[in-house]
Amino acid sequence: NAGVMQNPRHLVRRRGQEARLRCSPMKGHSHVYWYRQLPEEGLKFMVYLQKENIIDESGMPKERFSAEFPKEGPSILRIQQVVRGDSAAYFCASSPRDRGENTEAFFGQGTRLTVV
Amino acid sequence: ILNVEQSPQSLHVQEGDSTNFTCSFPSSNFYALHWYRWETAKSPEALFVMTLNGDEKKKGRISATLNTKEGYSYLYIKGSQPEDSATYLCASRIGSSNTGKLIFGQGTTLQVKP
Repeated sequence: NAGVMQNPRHLVRRRGQEARLRCSPMKGHSHVYWYRQLPEEGLKFMVYLQKENIIDESGMPKERFSAEFPKEGPSILRIQQVVRGDSAAYFCASSPRDRGENTEAFFGQGTRLTVV
Repeated sequence: ILNVEQSPQSLHVQEGDSTNFTCSFPSSNFYALHWYRWETAKSPEALFVMTLNGDEKKKGRISATLNTKEGYSYLYIKGSQPEDSATYLCASRIGSSNTGKLIFGQGTTLQVKP
């Protein structure tokens, strides 16, 4: 059973371009979290998704950022018109949530986005 | 407390020392408290998930306790080894048991010197 897969591992974008970060959850997991880690900071919650549904997006910036988790395929975090301040490590985690609050989250290795 | 807070931010100990860290979280609408271990260049890995007040969990030399009424959890490492060097994160599920998001503290970075 493969773990949570994120790709690409490293992504370089010029200011104004779009960044697409992909997260394939563990097999059988129906819930995905996205977190952002800025330099010298901890994991900041961005969005919590279930397949075809956004459960909580209270941590997402109001503009330029969007996330989806379609019925088929990976979850996508999309950043439009990137700026230097978007440079960070973006982590995805998945959980089955079939047992409610007891379920741990399994993390991918992250995508390091650099905006030049 | 509105956020999840951890202390200390960093810790340097000698091999063989025992140590502990604190995680404070909102005690209202509590559902679960998670501890993760995050080694450099790797992904965070779950150590414990605790839900009940007074809960104690143990994995080898690492153990954790939970006080949901006052909103804190302690992580203990007995006889620290260099391989214990990592950042230890706690996270609280906030919101509801079915739709609550996991909010992380900033972590405690432990360095164990041989």
